[in-house]
Amino acid sequence: NAGVMQNPRHLVRRRGQEARLRCSPMKGHSHVYWYRQLPEEGLKFMVYLQKENIIDESGMPKERFSAEFPKEGPSILRIQQVVRGDSAAYFCASSTRLDATNEKLFFGSGTQLSVL
Amino acid sequence: DQQVKQNSPSLSVQEGRISILNCDYTNSMFDYFLWYKKYPAEGPTFLISISSIKDKNEDGRFTVFLNKSAKHLSLHIVPSQPGDSAVYFCAASAGGGYSGGYQKVTFGTGTKLQVIP
Repeated sequence: NAGVMQNPRHLVRRRGQEARLRCSPMKGHSHVYWYRQLPEEGLKFMVYLQKENIIDESGMPKERFSAEFPKEGPSILRIQQVVRGDSAAYFCASSTRLDATNEKLFFGSGTQLSVL
Repeated sequence: DQQVKQNSPSLSVQEGRISILNCDYTNSMFDYFLWYKKYPAEGPTFLISISSIKDKNEDGRFTVFLNKSAKHLSLHIVPSQPGDSAVYFCAASAGGGYSGGYQKVTFGTGTKLQVIP
């Protein structure tokens, strides 16, 4: 019963390159959340997706960032033309949302993005 | 605008003693509160939660207290063990439960707990 799988664990990019972060939710989970943790800061919400739908992207920068959760395959967080300030740990979480009053997120181990 | 605040970035406690981690929130619409524990190089894991209709929830060595009038919650760990050394995140969500709507979980900045053997 695999948990939330994120890959890669570590990603190094040069300024201007693209970064693609992948997240496979827990089996049976159809809701995916992306969070970002900057150094010395807490977890900041970025985006919430269901299969083929973006429900809330209020935490995502308007430019260069995009996310998708296709019908088949993992959720992808894409960062175009990365800058040094994008260096952070990116965490994916999933949930079932069968009981919205008892929301519990299951997190992956994160992807550490380093921009040189 | 930090709606969930953990004002103590770190805490050191002797093994066997009580650890008390504090959290304050500003959004009166929050009605569900959670604590997550995070080890280095791992993702956060759920620890314990409390609904706003309660003021206390206990699970083994972990107890969460909620004071709605003060918009304050705390996590007590008794007795503290070296394996409890981790970063603890307080989190909260607002509304949507009874309507089946969406609840965005907002996290604090974390408190790093060190339990000294």
